Amino acid sequence: EAGVAQSPRYKIIEKRQSVAFWCNPISGHATLYWYQQILGQGPKLLIQFQNNGVVDDSQLPKDRFSAERLKGVDSTLKIQPAKLEDSAVYLCASSSLTKKGGEREKLFFGSGTQLSVL
Amino acid sequence: AQKITQTQPGMFVQEKEAVTLDCTYDTSDPSYGLFWYKQPSSGEMIFLIYQGSYDQQNATEGRYSLNFQKARKSANLVISASQLGDSAMYFCAMRRGSNYQLIWGAGTKLIIKP
Repeated sequence: EAGVAQSPRYKIIEKRQSVAFWCNPISGHATLYWYQQILGQGPKLLIQFQNNGVVDDSQLPKDRFSAERLKGVDSTLKIQPAKLEDSAVYLCASSSLTKKGGEREKLFFGSGTQLSVL
Repeated sequence: AQKITQTQPGMFVQEKEAVTLDCTYDTSDPSYGLFWYKQPSSGEMIFLIYQGSYDQQNATEGRYSLNFQKARKSANLVISASQLGDSAMYFCAMRRGSNYQLIWGAGTKLIIKP
């Protein structure tokens, strides 16, 4: 089966510019996550979707970050305006947590978008 | 507070040797799950192994096994017969809560020497 697709692979912008990332999860996966991974750290959850509804966005800096998942499939994550500290890898993951025994369901990750803010 | 600790920032291991990557966790929930993921330089997180808190036996997946010591709150990953392709970052993560979110450790960088 096709994996989680993300684009672009790399992005370099100047501070105060805007940027958008795109994610296409594995077909049929109802749950989609966006993570921010700063160099040398583990991933940090930004937002979790179940179908097209937001489950948790408590760690999303809502003054500059926004995310949507229209029609419960693809998702976009936007940063506007970007700051230097937003330099990180942005990982998208999906899972089929609606299955019975979903607590054992693993997350499938895309290759990520490496963002550099100059 | 729920937390995952990986105390080894980096490790060098000779090819074909076994390696143990440490992971300790802190939670008061009786039900939780522990995952190990591998992240090669390409960036993609790759699932390796899962252990549920109520599982009676330690999990195994091919060359990977999990040394789960519930009383000590540790879930160490053991890689047998290491290969050059095992060189990567390794992350321990704990699933918790009704939304099944993952809490991640800081990772261990494993380098396999030929």
